[in-house]
Amino acid sequence: DVKVTQSSRYLVKRTGEKVFLECVQDMDHENMFWYRQDPGLGLRLIYFSYDVKMKEKGDIPEGYSVSREKKERFSLILESASTNQTSMYLCASSLWRGGDSNQPQHFGDGTRLSIL
Amino acid sequence: AQSVAQPEDQVNVAEGNPLTVKCTYSVSGNPYLFWYVQYPNRGLQFLLKYITGDNLVKGSYGFEAEFNKSQTSFHLKKPSALVSDSALYFCAVRDIRKNNDMRFGAGTRLTVKP
Repeated sequence: DVKVTQSSRYLVKRTGEKVFLECVQDMDHENMFWYRQDPGLGLRLIYFSYDVKMKEKGDIPEGYSVSREKKERFSLILESASTNQTSMYLCASSLWRGGDSNQPQHFGDGTRLSIL
Repeated sequence: AQSVAQPEDQVNVAEGNPLTVKCTYSVSGNPYLFWYVQYPNRGLQFLLKYITGDNLVKGSYGFEAEFNKSQTSFHLKKPSALVSDSALYFCAVRDIRKNNDMRFGAGTRLTVKP
């Protein structure tokens, strides 16, 4: 089974802090994703990466950056945390089969982040 | 751009009754369609997907979904609901021409009552 592990289940930080959310997958997947989940809005894509050191912006990248130095690890960084970034953050990974985009994404259990 | 609509925020059914969770989609090309389930304090779990072929797709835990191209729908169904099916369900769509651009619906909370 694919395992996607997010380093923290719950995190409380203060406004203005730099926050790091870590995600590791153990199935050698090329693609990795960061979403935020808010009630009534579903999942919104922040950033994704299809290879080491590669990244692309999703729908809501403002205020966030990412890092992918190794294939198995994808980090989300809140450069200067604000209260409107309080949310559930979900990491996911998927296999890339050379043009075949029908592979499902596998999710971690999420990090519930509160910015005070 | 692709999009997904889940018209019901909440669906309530009695245990043993059939359930349907609705999903409609919009893509400019042909779609790949997915259903995921989320239990409390957990990430999303993949249930089933439609790629091509038979319009009725069978997935995990006895769930199935019917692809209807003319109605651009992909409703999730189960013949006999269990209390343990109570969870948040998400429909997702991807244009087959576009990798990594999956769009999720807002989610439907299913409650199955004993």
